[in-house]
Amino acid sequence: GAGVSQSPSNKVTEKGKDVELRCDPISGHTALYWYRQSLGQGLEFLIYFQGNSAPDKSGLPSDRFSAERTGGSVSTLTIQRTQQEDSAVYLCASSLITGNYGYTFGSGTRLTVV
Amino acid sequence: GIQVEQSPPDLILQEGANSTLRCNFSDSVNNLQWFHQNPWGQLINLFYIPSGTKQNGRLSATTVATERYSLLYISSSQTTDSGVYFCAVDKGGNKLVFGAGTILRVKS
Repeated sequence: GAGVSQSPSNKVTEKGKDVELRCDPISGHTALYWYRQSLGQGLEFLIYFQGNSAPDKSGLPSDRFSAERTGGSVSTLTIQRTQQEDSAVYLCASSLITGNYGYTFGSGTRLTVV
Repeated sequence: GIQVEQSPPDLILQEGANSTLRCNFSDSVNNLQWFHQNPWGQLINLFYIPSGTKQNGRLSATTVATERYSLLYISSSQTTDSGVYFCAVDKGGNKLVFGAGTILRVKS
């Protein structure tokens, strides 16, 4: 597609429920990144994919968070048993390859856990 | 890990004025990017500039890698330039580390 597409744009969920966030990167971009932005923490790296593999999962805050990418394209970020501290804007970005290229970010998913 | 400091934290400009935003980082990097986050939250990539100088319209950026800083210049500012400007760096691990940002408000 022309840009990075994220869905849903907003999600309100009850504490303890699971949520799935979706990212559709720019066509042809092999690198895909997830970040989260919250008031207290700024912009934090979560995970990146090169193709379908995720060499570095160290940014995921807990084992309740997982992510996958299939077909070298769409990625989903899953948060199990959501907690109030998971409330944030989850941003996805893609780039041509990892390393020396600029990122294009999507509009984000605003997650509110009540 | 690598530290990124941006200054000033806040800036108010009259429309038409020029400004310089600074980004200092604590280690050598192979990736440095400047982003503008508009009031609706969209992050727009302005420059990929690990070294050297680039210009795009009224915006230009310079990174002096050996001295570990980058500057973003905004000339003839417009109200649409308002938002938060982020500098982000990476040492080679494909994990961009973002600074806290500079909040810019341009008044008409």
